[in-house]
Amino acid sequence: NAGVMQNPRHLVRRRGQEARLRCSPMKGHSHVYWYRQLPEEGLKFMVYLQKENIIDESGMPKERFSAEFPKEGPSILRIQQVVRGDSAAYFCASSPNTGAGELFFGEGSRLTVL
Amino acid sequence: EDQVTQSPEALRLQEGESSSLNCSYTVSGLRGLFWYRQDPGKGPEFLFTLYSAGEEKEKERLKATLTKKESFLHITAPKPEDSATYLCAVQFSGGGADGLTFGKGTHLIIQP
Repeated sequence: NAGVMQNPRHLVRRRGQEARLRCSPMKGHSHVYWYRQLPEEGLKFMVYLQKENIIDESGMPKERFSAEFPKEGPSILRIQQVVRGDSAAYFCASSPNTGAGELFFGEGSRLTVL
Repeated sequence: EDQVTQSPEALRLQEGESSSLNCSYTVSGLRGLFWYRQDPGKGPEFLFTLYSAGEEKEKERLKATLTKKESFLHITAPKPEDSATYLCAVQFSGGGADGLTFGKGTHLIIQP
């Protein structure tokens, strides 16, 4: 019974490149959340998606960041024209229910921007 | 602004030495308070959900309690394997955000 799968686990990009992070939720879960964890900071909510819909993107930076959760395939967090400040661990979590606080997290994708 | 503050930032205990971690919050309306455990290089792992003042939950050596302004995570007779960062998170009513607001965590080290 696989948990939340994220890939890549580690990603290195140069400034100005694009980063794509993928997340497959647990089987039977249709709700996906993305969080960012900066060094010495707590986890920050970015976006909440259901299949084919963005439900809440109140934590998403207005520019360069986008997320999707297509009908088929994993959820993708896309960061365009990365800057050094984007270096962080990005965690995906899933839940079977809407508005749930019990989330199942993946092991994260660690982005380093050179 | 809704906030979550955890204290202490770090705590070092001897094996068997009981203690408590604190999570205080200022919110316009609380839907739920959650405790997670995070090991180095891993994602957070869910521990407890608390919804109302006076509620308590227990799991092995851990007990979580909730008041109107704060929550405590009590650790009784800890073992080295309890070493981790413990995260508190709250979910607020109103405002529209479905995500959790996390504190910065308490880094707990249990020495054998």
